[in-house]
Amino acid sequence: AQKITQTQPGMFVQEKEAVTLDCTYDTSDPSYGLFWYKQPSSGEMIFLIYQGSYDQQNATEGRYSLNFQKARKSANLVISASQLGDSAMYFCAMREVYMDSSYKLIFGSGTRLLVRP
Amino acid sequence: GAGVSQSPSNKVTEKGKDVELRCDPISGHTALYWYRQSLGQGLEFLIYFQGNSAPDKSGLPSDRFSAERTGGSVSTLTIQRTQQEDSAVYLCASSLGPFVSGDADTQYFGPGTRLTVL
Repeated sequence: AQKITQTQPGMFVQEKEAVTLDCTYDTSDPSYGLFWYKQPSSGEMIFLIYQGSYDQQNATEGRYSLNFQKARKSANLVISASQLGDSAMYFCAMREVYMDSSYKLIFGSGTRLLVRP
Repeated sequence: GAGVSQSPSNKVTEKGKDVELRCDPISGHTALYWYRQSLGQGLEFLIYFQGNSAPDKSGLPSDRFSAERTGGSVSTLTIQRTQQEDSAVYLCASSLGPFVSGDADTQYFGPGTRLTVL
């Protein structure tokens, strides 16, 4: 079964508008972390925002915020005031702990965002 | 400070040859990860190092793949007898390690090595 699901292969948004990228996850681990990364055409993976499973508040980082709905197992990324430079691939990822010995990330398939001028 | 660096940035090799990919983590990061990104498989975990030991090698696709880390720093991923299906971007990431909480253990990625097997 997919552990991280991103159902939007591609999204368009008008410059200066807000956009929500969806992410749902599946885990039985009570302690986990959720991450969003941006991958521009240059290929580097850029960390955007983190949400811990025990965090009471939704994470925010500048124009990025994470809409964390624990009961629904969703961790959607909201980008406000989109800019042309936001055009990129966006990956949702989850960190679980396996036998206290691994902290690997499990990635979704990604959403390609294109910001229109 | 300096980020994660990887070399080479691009590698073209012939089927059957061995290749070595190098990763220099962020100074002070005890955890190091290798991932592979390919069109068909997305982003896949390969191996995790804590210091010089590898508690999780579960993502290595075959015994042709191996990795080591020396001095708690530089890591080398070796692929023996390369096959065309090994063509991918190999990404290295590092983090402070598992004994910190929350986003302090964020993984930071290098620019990747694009491997093409002809």
